[in-house]
Amino acid sequence: NAGVTQTPKFRVLKTGQSMTLLCAQDMNHEYMYWYRQDPGMGLRLIHYSVGEGTTAKGEVPDGYNVSRLKKQNFLLGLESAAPSQTSVYFCASSKIRPPNTEAFFGQGTRLTVV
Amino acid sequence: RKEVEQDPGPFNVPEGATVAFNCTYSNSASQSFFWYRQDCRKEPKLLMSVYSSGNEDGRFTAQLNRASQYISLLIRDSKLSDSATYLCVVNFLGGGADGLTFGKGTHLIIQP
Repeated sequence: NAGVTQTPKFRVLKTGQSMTLLCAQDMNHEYMYWYRQDPGMGLRLIHYSVGEGTTAKGEVPDGYNVSRLKKQNFLLGLESAAPSQTSVYFCASSKIRPPNTEAFFGQGTRLTVV
Repeated sequence: RKEVEQDPGPFNVPEGATVAFNCTYSNSASQSFFWYRQDCRKEPKLLMSVYSSGNEDGRFTAQLNRASQYISLLIRDSKLSDSATYLCVVNFLGGGADGLTFGKGTHLIIQP
């Protein structure tokens, strides 16, 4: 009963390096999301997807790109990492029809950019 | 603008006490409401949905007041294990996928 799985769980990057975070869900959810969580800032939406092949910008999209080539996977890319991107990243998924629109989260990826 | 506001706390409460906190939302066209719980260095997990008629799950009671645009969470007979951050989440009508807006959370500490 995996739910939402994120890889990797931890990563340290040097400024300017690139990386991809992978999110996989096995609940056949239509919607998937990437959030970042910083102290005192709460969860902020980076990008989201309403279905396979679609993506859209959230509240804080700059410096990130995403892709949803398969319904179960949502990738978050950092092309040129900056120290300001040090954060905890959470992926989530949900159905689209209320009332069951609650989001299910992955365990998070702790990223440090030095 | 869609906003969800919570008192960040911390709320320091003795074990066995009752504690309540509220969350206010700015958009009256809101559809679904939830309370999530987040433990330190863990992912948020759904605690309970909030229905218009109010709902109860064991020691937890959630209420919705649409007229005043707030939701509340009441915890009775608090346990040490209730220590966590409680996130208020609102799904705004017509907001699509980005309709899920999170509050910054209320930090609860249950003291022995």
